[in-house]
Amino acid sequence: EAGVTQSPTHLIKTRGQQVTLRCSPISGHTSVYWYQQALGLGLQFLLWYDEGEERNRGNFPPRFSGRQFPNYSSELNVNALELEDSALYLCASKMFLTNYGYTFGSGTRLTVV
Amino acid sequence: QKEVEQNSGPLSVPEGAIASLNCTYSDRGSQSFFWYRQYSGKSPELIMSIYSNGDKEDGRFTAQLNKASQYVSLLIRDSQPSDSATYLCALTLPGAGSYQLTFGKGTKLSVIP
Repeated sequence: EAGVTQSPTHLIKTRGQQVTLRCSPISGHTSVYWYQQALGLGLQFLLWYDEGEERNRGNFPPRFSGRQFPNYSSELNVNALELEDSALYLCASKMFLTNYGYTFGSGTRLTVV
Repeated sequence: QKEVEQNSGPLSVPEGAIASLNCTYSDRGSQSFFWYRQYSGKSPELIMSIYSNGDKEDGRFTAQLNKASQYVSLLIRDSQPSDSATYLCALTLPGAGSYQLTFGKGTKLSVIP
């Protein structure tokens, strides 16, 4: 069974640019979660998608947005990049409305210079 | 008070010893609890889940939950150098957060050969 896949693995962007990160969940998983892990700050919840809808949003500015496609894959978009956006962006998936733990992808390391 | 608190460590134990990792939480309505292991530069990996008071054992790992005292712990028996990693405690919060995980900042464990 394929795990959660994320692309790209690494990314370097300039301040002010825009970036799109991609995630494909495990087959059968419809919920996709996005987290940011910046150095020293732990995992911060960004967004939760299921059935194409945004189910919940963390305490991040509107320039962080995303969407979920009919095949349950998801994109995270970050506009007007700032230096503090440099972090590991993790996508996780699980079956909808279950209380099982997530399975994480390998992440996208974003560096903003 | 933070929702999930962990001692950041590092916790150093000799090879073969028992490592004890602790986590306290603030919301009595939390129902589901998880331990993730994260190696440096990698994504978190689910190692244990626990939903009811008491102990749950899986190989060398034992998770302990005490809802009255609002703590959850992870014991690693016969610690190996390969157990050296950051261990993240995660839980669900009541209401809108019941299907997403809130993470502690993690405890860094170092197993000394």
